[in-house]
Amino acid sequence: AQSVSQHNHHVILSEAASLELGCNYSYGGTVNLFWYVQYPGQHLQLLLKYFSGDPLVKGIKGFEAEFIKSKFSFNLRKPSVQWSDTAEYFCALNRDDKIIFGKGTRLHILP
Amino acid sequence: DTGVSQDPRHKITKRGQNVTFRCDPISEHNRLYWYRQTLGQGPEFLTYFQNEAQLEKSRLLSNRFSAERPKGSFSTLEIQRTEQGDSAMYLCASSLAPGWANEKLFFGSGTQLSVL
Repeated sequence: AQSVSQHNHHVILSEAASLELGCNYSYGGTVNLFWYVQYPGQHLQLLLKYFSGDPLVKGIKGFEAEFIKSKFSFNLRKPSVQWSDTAEYFCALNRDDKIIFGKGTRLHILP
Repeated sequence: DTGVSQDPRHKITKRGQNVTFRCDPISEHNRLYWYRQTLGQGPEFLTYFQNEAQLEKSRLLSNRFSAERPKGSFSTLEIQRTEQGDSAMYLCASSLAPGWANEKLFFGSGTQLSVL
């Protein structure tokens, strides 16, 4: 069963637009959630993570994500995107000691 | 470069041949993961090690796939009798664990396998 669902497969925005990428998870245990990013030609790297405490977590490059337990969601946001944010974004969940990834959202920012 | 390194970067093979990939994790990392990624999909978990112990192997993984981490440092992933469906990017990642506050995967560049 798919543990992590990313609904937007491909998003195109203009620079300075606001961004929200959806992520829903299905897991009954304690959740640890992540967003990873892969810039063109680069390795996957961690953008931000949630383990406990404040459900609003801030990551690198102005990104943030909010854990909403009642909605099983962990959406990624950025108030104003830049051309350099063009990348593929993966939501991930720690399940049974493994990191399970969603299918990813390809974000394309128009200059 | 002190990151995760994978070798080779690209591998082209004929159906039925065996292939082996190598991953060198970050030196102090005790966990090592193998993932497979195809176009339009996220990384799919294959297996992982804590030190030299293989803790889990995906149930979806064919028995043609085997992985080792003999000294708790580098790891190899072997695919026997390759099939065209094995064509994918094979990613290795390492992390410091346990301790979820430390749980951050560092990925290598991957090995792109093409089975003809």
